[in-house]
Formats: sequence, structure tokens, C-alpha cells
Amino acid sequence: GAVVSQHPSRVICKSGTSVKIECRSLDFQATTMFWYRQFPKQSLMLMATSNEGSKATYEQGVEKDKFLINHASLTLSTLTVTSAHPEDSSFYICSAQTSSGELFFGEGSRLTVL
Amino acid sequence: GENVEQHPSTLSVQEGDSAVIKCTYSDSASNYFPWYKQELGKGPQLIIDIRSNVGEKKDQRIAVTLNKTAKHFSLHITETQPEDSAVYFCAASPYTGGGNKLTFGTGTQLKVEL
Repeated sequence: GAVVSQHPSRVICKSGTSVKIECRSLDFQATTMFWYRQFPKQSLMLMATSNEGSKATYEQGVEKDKFLINHASLTLSTLTVTSAHPEDSSFYICSAQTSSGELFFGEGSRLTVL
Repeated sequence: GENVEQHPSTLSVQEGDSAVIKCTYSDSASNYFPWYKQELGKGPQLIIDIRSNVGEKKDQRIAVTLNKTAKHFSLHITETQPEDSAVYFCAASPYTGGGNKLTFGTGTQLKVEL
């Protein structure tokens, strides 16, 4: 299957700082990428749809000013958690969509806010 | 919107036995049904998917069946091995091009015992 790389895999930051997570499709171009949040022992919760060259579409209840998404190229989308607080600690996962509609996921990023 | 239910939440089988996980969906417009395997601390891995124009698809020890009339689909794993132990998620979407926004089931923790 297609390869999606997510970086960093783990990040620890102080409360009030911002953290950027990158999602790259390594062997295909992805017009659309998605960002999810996953709590322990729960399913994936879609946060936003990232479209190359246009603004992201956020799900209801997700603060767009808190979770900044940029999809600057066909192989890279970034999620920036701004002014992070302990309640933002979570497992964040991205997926990239192929031209046939399949979604391939990154390895996830574990964010811990102290 | 789409609602996907998944059962069972946990499943324990003996090595070599078969495992079956079932999902139901609510939106008759859904036409794409992938299954993902997620190991602890990692991102979901696409293991098989089926589109609504077929009723069954098989890939080695893994098979998926789809009943559009009843709106349910199932994952079948034969000759289970310890490395099959993981959380499995089903998903559904009404994909017609553009962004493929999946709705996930709640997950099944599969444990294959020696």
C-alpha cells in the first residue's frame, strides 16, 4: 500500500506553546488529507479535511484557530496546535487520500502538554 | 449523517480459528467500506476494502462480505495467528469523488491466543 509519513511521532511541550505536526504522502500525491484525534481505547474522531491550495474544512466543535491546518503541496499537510494546554494531549493521526479514494494513515503523533 | 455500528467490541480466539467482525451502516448512499488494523501506538493500516458493486472480496486469509440490502458488512480472518492481535475498525462512506470522508465503527479488540 501507499506510504504516509507523520512527524514527530512523540512530542512533549509546555502549556501555552505551539506544536506543529507534519503529514507527508511519500509515494503518491494527495489532493485531500484528513486529520483525526484519537483518545485511548476509542475510535478515530475526524477533526478536519485538508485540501491542497484551499482552506481546511473543520468538523463541528473543532476550533479552527486552535488547530491550524495548512496543505501547501500535494504531498504535505501540517497541523499546528496553538497555545497548547493539557486537555489537548492526545494521539493525532493524519490520512492521505489516493486518486482512487483509498485512505492511508500516518503512524500518529502522541502529544503530551505539561 | 452516516452511523456505523461494530460488533463485538472484544473478540478472543484460539490460534488457527477464524474470527468474524460485523458492522452495520445506516446511509444507503454509502458505497465504500474499508477495514483497518491498528496496533498499539500506531496508525491504522488498510487491510482490505470493498465497494458496493461487489458482494465479496478476498485477500489470502482475509475476506470481506457486503450485504447492501441489509446494510451490513463483515470481516473474516481465517487461520488466525498471534500477529493478527490488534484493534480492527470498519468504516463506510458515500464516495463519489472529492474528499472521501469515512465514518468509523467503534473498533474490535481481537486477541489471538496460543
